[in-house]
Amino acid sequence: EAGVAQSPRYKIIEKRQSVAFWCNPISGHATLYWYQQILGQGPKLLIQFQNNGVVDDSQLPKDRFSAERLKGVDSTLKIQPAKLEDSAVYLCASSLDLGVRPTGGGYTFGSGTRLTVV
Amino acid sequence: GQQLNQSPQSMFIQEGEDVSMNCTSSSIFNTWLWYKQEPGEGPVLLIALYKAGELTSNGRLTAQFGITRKDSFLNISASIPSDVGIYFCAGQLGGSQGNLIFGKGTKLSVKP
Repeated sequence: EAGVAQSPRYKIIEKRQSVAFWCNPISGHATLYWYQQILGQGPKLLIQFQNNGVVDDSQLPKDRFSAERLKGVDSTLKIQPAKLEDSAVYLCASSLDLGVRPTGGGYTFGSGTRLTVV
Repeated sequence: GQQLNQSPQSMFIQEGEDVSMNCTSSSIFNTWLWYKQEPGEGPVLLIALYKAGELTSNGRLTAQFGITRKDSFLNISASIPSDVGIYFCAGQLGGSQGNLIFGKGTKLSVKP
């Protein structure tokens, strides 16, 4: 099966500019996640969708970050305006159902978008 | 917030040696996962553990879900150069709808 697709792979922007990332999950996967991975750290959840509804966005900095999954398939994550501390890899992941279940296996991650804010 | 303490932070070993790394937490998890991440790629799932005390193998990899549900370890036997990468533990809290809490990773270097 095709994996989780993300674009772009790399993006360099100046602080205060805006940027958007795109994710296409594995076909049939109901749940989509956006994680932020700062250099030297493990990934941290930003937002989780079940179909086109938000399940958890408690760690999303809502003053500058937004995300949508309008038709329950593709998703877009936006940052506006960007700050220097937003430099990180943004990982998209998908799973068959909510979270990790013995019957559904684990998450599948995309390759990520590396954002550098200068 | 929740934290996972992963150790060691890095390891430099000779090809053929065995490797052991672990994660501990003050919180109880209902699922433990071990991922490997290579440069420029997303994490790839190695082993998933769903029950306390569970011991699971995947080739040369063996992982266990601690009895207390607050820890897990990963062993790699007879390491080879392609084992190089960063290994992350991740836990899913009971009642969670999918948020995985990740450790900071163990960077493994293998000398041929």
